[in-house]
Amino acid sequence: NAGVMQNPRHLVRRRGQEARLRCSPMKGHSHVYWYRQLPEEGLKFMVYLQKENIIDESGMPKERFSAEFPKEGPSILRIQQVVRGDSAAYFCASSPPSRTASNTGELFFGEGSRLTVL
Amino acid sequence: KQEVTQIPAALSVPEGENLVLNCSFTDSAIYNLQWFRQDPGKGLTSLLLIQSSQREQTSGRLNASLDKSSGRSTLYIAASQPGDSATYLCAAIGANSKLTFGKGITLSVRP
Repeated sequence: NAGVMQNPRHLVRRRGQEARLRCSPMKGHSHVYWYRQLPEEGLKFMVYLQKENIIDESGMPKERFSAEFPKEGPSILRIQQVVRGDSAAYFCASSPPSRTASNTGELFFGEGSRLTVL
Repeated sequence: KQEVTQIPAALSVPEGENLVLNCSFTDSAIYNLQWFRQDPGKGLTSLLLIQSSQREQTSGRLNASLDKSSGRSTLYIAASQPGDSATYLCAAIGANSKLTFGKGITLSVRP
């Protein structure tokens, strides 16, 4: 059973370009979370999605950032017109559907995508 | 708003020592508390999850305790080894499984 898969692992963009980060949750998981880890800071919640729904985006910057989790395919975190301050590690986590025996509330994290903006 | 604090930020110990890593949180209305390990440039590895109804969890040389009323959790590592060197993150889990992380404690175990 593969874990949470994120790609690319490393991404370099120039200022003004777009960055797209992908996350495939663990098999059977329908909840996806995105977190950002800035240098010398802790991980911060960005957004929580279920299939075709954004449940909580309270941690997302108001501009340039968007996320989706379509019915088919991975979740995508999209950053438009990147700036140097967007350089960070972006982590995706997944969990099983709510109200199932397998849902202990534990989140399982991917290896992260490290974005560098030149 | 939940805030999680881990002090100190860094810790260096000789091999073989038993040690305790502390975590405090401001809002006791948590669902669970989870401890993670992060190696440099790597992702997060879940170590232990303590549900709100539990007081502790054990896995091998690791033991984590939770005291919701005082807003504290501790991670106990027995007989530390150089391979335990990493950053240890504590996260309080609230509604919708949303995690609030501390900044972590970077542990160095000297041979």
